[in-house]
Amino acid sequence: KQEVTQIPAALSVPEGENLVLNCSFTDSAIYNLQWFRQDPGKGLTSLLLIQSSQREQTSGRLNASLDKSSGRSTLYIAASQPGDSATYLCAVTGSGGGADGLTFGKGTHLIIQP
Amino acid sequence: GAVVSQHPSRVICKSGTSVKIECRSLDFQATTMFWYRQFPKKSLMLMATSNEGSKATYEQGVEKDKFLINHASLTLSTLTVTSAHPEDSSFYICSASKRLAGVGVYYNEQFFGPGTRLTVL
Repeated sequence: KQEVTQIPAALSVPEGENLVLNCSFTDSAIYNLQWFRQDPGKGLTSLLLIQSSQREQTSGRLNASLDKSSGRSTLYIAASQPGDSATYLCAVTGSGGGADGLTFGKGTHLIIQP
Repeated sequence: GAVVSQHPSRVICKSGTSVKIECRSLDFQATTMFWYRQFPKKSLMLMATSNEGSKATYEQGVEKDKFLINHASLTLSTLTVTSAHPEDSSFYICSASKRLAGVGVYYNEQFFGPGTRLTVL
């Protein structure tokens, strides 16, 4: 059974810092990996999706990498802003592709101090 | 675009009643939809996979007779929580799978609805 672990569970940093969130998964036979943002009491906002054949994806100040063989992904946030404060979730889809649901990590609760 | 809606966004009901939650893909057809549940301060857990025109596939530990799923069309899946109890209070969120064209390949991506917060008194 796939398990997704996110480290750290919580992180508080001053505004402007670059930071890295870590995600690991136990079964490397994945279809893709996604990073989401969730604000308190709200739904999910998809940030980046990396297909299993890809190594990284970038969107603005966000960069996500994927090392499928070692079961790891990182989300890099450059020049952090208070508006980046949220819970960041990592999730993987099994090798069944569109037929498989996502397995989520427990998230990293990020606070950016103004 | 790929927009998924859920209705209602919030519902409060008495113990023992049934609650129906709708999940709609507004601008695409979805053969497969998924239902997730999130307890307070916990992560999302997959409950079931909903396939259009066939029975849903439930994850281990999820009671299929309590959480009824119907996927009658390519744009609508419903989750009915039957005889709800306070322990069913949770955030329920659906997703719909859409096939997209990447660079030289096609891939599936799940698009999520905004969620439904259920409170059972």
